[in-house]
Amino acid sequence: QVQLQESGPGLVKPSQTLSLNCTVSGASINSGSNYWTWIRQPAGKGLEWMGRIYTSGGTNYNPSLMGRITISLDTSTNQFSLRLKSVTATDTATYYCARGLPAAGSIYFDSWGQGTLVTVSS
Amino acid sequence: SYEVTQPPSVSVFPGQTASVTCSGVKLGDKRVSWYQQKPGQSPLLVIYQDTKRPSGIPERFSGSSSVNTATLTISGTQAMDEADYYCQAWDSTTEVFGGGTQLTVL
Repeated sequence: QVQLQESGPGLVKPSQTLSLNCTVSGASINSGSNYWTWIRQPAGKGLEWMGRIYTSGGTNYNPSLMGRITISLDTSTNQFSLRLKSVTATDTATYYCARGLPAAGSIYFDSWGQGTLVTVSS
Repeated sequence: SYEVTQPPSVSVFPGQTASVTCSGVKLGDKRVSWYQQKPGQSPLLVIYQDTKRPSGIPERFSGSSSVNTATLTISGTQAMDEADYYCQAWDSTTEVFGGGTQLTVL
């Protein structure tokens, strides 16, 4: 049973960098065919896929966030992380990490963290 | 960029069948997943690869797909099924979520 847990500051000032970690248990982040993914959800709104990193280290990002987002792996701690630069109030959301599994030309998210609320405010 | 569209809300009486749709151009060429999200909880996978049900998901949840539309069907809807439902599809190198459908059990 794979479990994921987000961690990081709940408050970030505008123009600064949002940094979150996702600790994975029950699976090794650098083995298998897993897509380690960040998804966010503003209060009362829908889910937004932000980006992912494959076990090999390859990444894909939402074009709307390109230039601001970086996702990386830390094999020593079995974590993957999210960095989002130059944040504004519109980046206020609950941030989820999730595991994506490939199947027949698609990817589905079978395991999710509990989510962490990040507020952008001075 | 690719987009998928869901109705904002669907209502159903207990015991009846609820259908939640997800529409997109040539969506039938992609494999769609469905997630249930209750207030204050993380999303839960209920259908993947259009029609497959993960272990532990009740048989009343089923999925189907046609040329431009994927459908989540809940047969014999129960009060506990009241939630937001999101479809998700893979497009090239990115993932896309629908805007979500709020299912109300009357």
